[in-house]
Amino acid sequence: AIQLTQSPSSLSASVGDRVTITCRASQGISSALAWYQQKPGKAPKLLIYDASSLESGVPSRFSGSGSGTDFTLTISSLQPEDFATYYCQQFNNYPLTFGGGTKVEIK
Amino acid sequence: EVQLVESGGGLVQPGGSLRLSCAASGFTFSSYEMNWVRQAPGKGLEWVSYISSSGSTIYYADSVKGRFTISRDNAKNSLYLQMNSLRAEDTAVYYCARDRWIVPAAMRNFDYWGQGTLVTVSS
Repeated sequence: AIQLTQSPSSLSASVGDRVTITCRASQGISSALAWYQQKPGKAPKLLIYDASSLESGVPSRFSGSGSGTDFTLTISSLQPEDFATYYCQQFNNYPLTFGGGTKVEIK
Repeated sequence: EVQLVESGGGLVQPGGSLRLSCAASGFTFSSYEMNWVRQAPGKGLEWVSYISSSGSTIYYADSVKGRFTISRDNAKNSLYLQMNSLRAEDTAVYYCARDRWIVPAAMRNFDYWGQGTLVTVSS
């Protein structure tokens, strides 16, 4: 199974900060990667698919990049509603796998 | 409006069984592949199972293979997960998620999720 390693596992940041989360795959997955945001008690919400395509309705401060084994999710200017946990997911092959998550907290 | 509503969760003893349902509305259910994803309390997301639009292709995570069975009834716009031989480590919120492929590049993602149903395995 392809392992996805997210880093950091948590971070503290302030409103307006630029935040970058990385996701490393244990083997190449081309661009078959999505990013989700999850708030406590809620279902995950799709942010980015195909590594860099922004889902409709998602603010443009979110962006994704990468291919192969190394991927990043960037929030250009952190907003109060962005404090949440973020997960990457690979679709290259089965079993589908998620990263361990990155919790973004208020500094 | 796309809606996915899970039901069937609850408290069950180790070794017991439970059947989860996911009622879909607001889209042509028979045209979409579907998945179950779970999340243990305070933990991350774990993909559990996939079923193709017709039900002819199915995949499972190793952790549930041989114990869980995914199925669907396109006439009833419903997805199911039959869970047998339940263990304490199966305790989690179970989500159903719609599998979207964006052609022609075949970009894939889970674009809609239900609110989840909690399964607790405990004596």
